[in-house]
Amino acid sequence: EAEVAQSPRYKITEKSQAVAFWCDPISGHATLYWYRQILGQGPELLVQFQDESVVDDSQLPKDRFSAERLKGVDSTLKIQPAELGDSAMYLCASSYGSRLGGTDTQYFGPGTRLTVL
Amino acid sequence: QKEVEQDPGPLSVPEGAIVSLNCTYSNSAFQYFMWYRQYSRKGPELLMYTYSSGNKEDGRFTAQVDKSSKYISLFIRDSQPSDSATYLCAMSAYGNQFYFGTGTSLTVIP
Repeated sequence: EAEVAQSPRYKITEKSQAVAFWCDPISGHATLYWYRQILGQGPELLVQFQDESVVDDSQLPKDRFSAERLKGVDSTLKIQPAELGDSAMYLCASSYGSRLGGTDTQYFGPGTRLTVL
Repeated sequence: QKEVEQDPGPLSVPEGAIVSLNCTYSNSAFQYFMWYRQYSRKGPELLMYTYSSGNKEDGRFTAQVDKSSKYISLFIRDSQPSDSATYLCAMSAYGNQFYFGTGTSLTVIP
């Protein structure tokens, strides 16, 4: 069964350091999402890509966060510099990308748990 | 007011019990309703998907949507210890943006 891959699974870093997370979506999925999930809360969308283009990054703290999906396949999310409040689970999801309306089922990866000390 | 409200629990039930999990929402444009299950330290996995109002059944799981009340439910029959997880509701309107509840933590006691 195809799955969304993410690495690393766990990351511990000190504040002010740079961190990067990688995601490989399910093959054929045009839409890729990065979410942040704080313990005890639901996922919150950070950025959404359709192929290599950003569709929605309104909730991405652009002063420190950046995301790219250069070839429209895998994606990298970067934080520089990391702050204590960035400690969370970072989830990647992908979907086929519905261009005909309706909704589009999202499949999640296992996540990267970030701890900032 | 949040788009989606979900009681965080925790909910603890004996094995074999019927579990009812619920979410309410405020946006009448929501048409698509999902339930995800998330085990500890794992990513959410899609459990049920429903379009508009009505019921959908899949094995021990039943999803209900009442759009007039802006209320959705997930029922788990004959609950098992392996059902212990956090259950997230999610919903969307036309398009792809999902709005998630905070999740309800469920423990099924053997």
